Amino acid sequence: DTGVSQNPRHKITKRGQNVTFRCDPISEHNRLYWYRQTLGQGPEFLTYFQNEAQLEKSRLLSDRFSAERPKGSFSTLEIQRTEQGDSAMYLCASSLVRWDGDGYTFGSGTRLTVV
Amino acid sequence: LAKTTQPISMDSYEGQEVNITCSHNNIATNDYITWYQQFPSQGPRFIIQGYKTKVTNEVASLFIPADRKSSTLSLPRVSLSDTAVYYCLVGFKAAGNKLTFGGGTRVLVKP
Repeated sequence: DTGVSQNPRHKITKRGQNVTFRCDPISEHNRLYWYRQTLGQGPEFLTYFQNEAQLEKSRLLSDRFSAERPKGSFSTLEIQRTEQGDSAMYLCASSLVRWDGDGYTFGSGTRLTVV
Repeated sequence: LAKTTQPISMDSYEGQEVNITCSHNNIATNDYITWYQQFPSQGPRFIIQGYKTKVTNEVASLFIPADRKSSTLSLPRVSLSDTAVYYCLVGFKAAGNKLTFGGGTRVLVKP
């Protein structure tokens, strides 16, 4: 297993366009998380899935954001009608439900720039 | 979730020991203390986790006093590659509870 994979690594888009990011977690991990990180700040929780069920969404996740994990494996995060304030690093992480100290495994993130 | 307070930044030199103290005055009985490391343009990476006393692994040591209201991450003999942001997190170790990050401590290791 090569860890958590995120694609694309970088995305530049014009304001108002829609973007979609993909996360492939570690195969045996049944929990998947999305975080957003802006420059100089720690990651902020957006949402998480256990298998295909989305169990929690942050208030940061406006109506323009939607996340899916249709078969309990990979996940997508879509942002509609992007705004300049959406510019950030979007991080995906995965873990086992029975987390026993190894913590989360994060991907390298997708850096979004809205121009 | 217990709030954490840690220094914004620290400078050190190669070969020195770096100690980062995190305050978590309202830590709950079930809470564990976890530290993550993040390099630029990468996701955070788990370093160490503990509940009380001292925990040591191949990367770092974590010292937790009896009252558990603070903890200290110790990085022995740092190198330039240890330049990173270090996050202290406090939370309930159960069923993959989500992690809440603060601002972290930026450690700069100089030659």
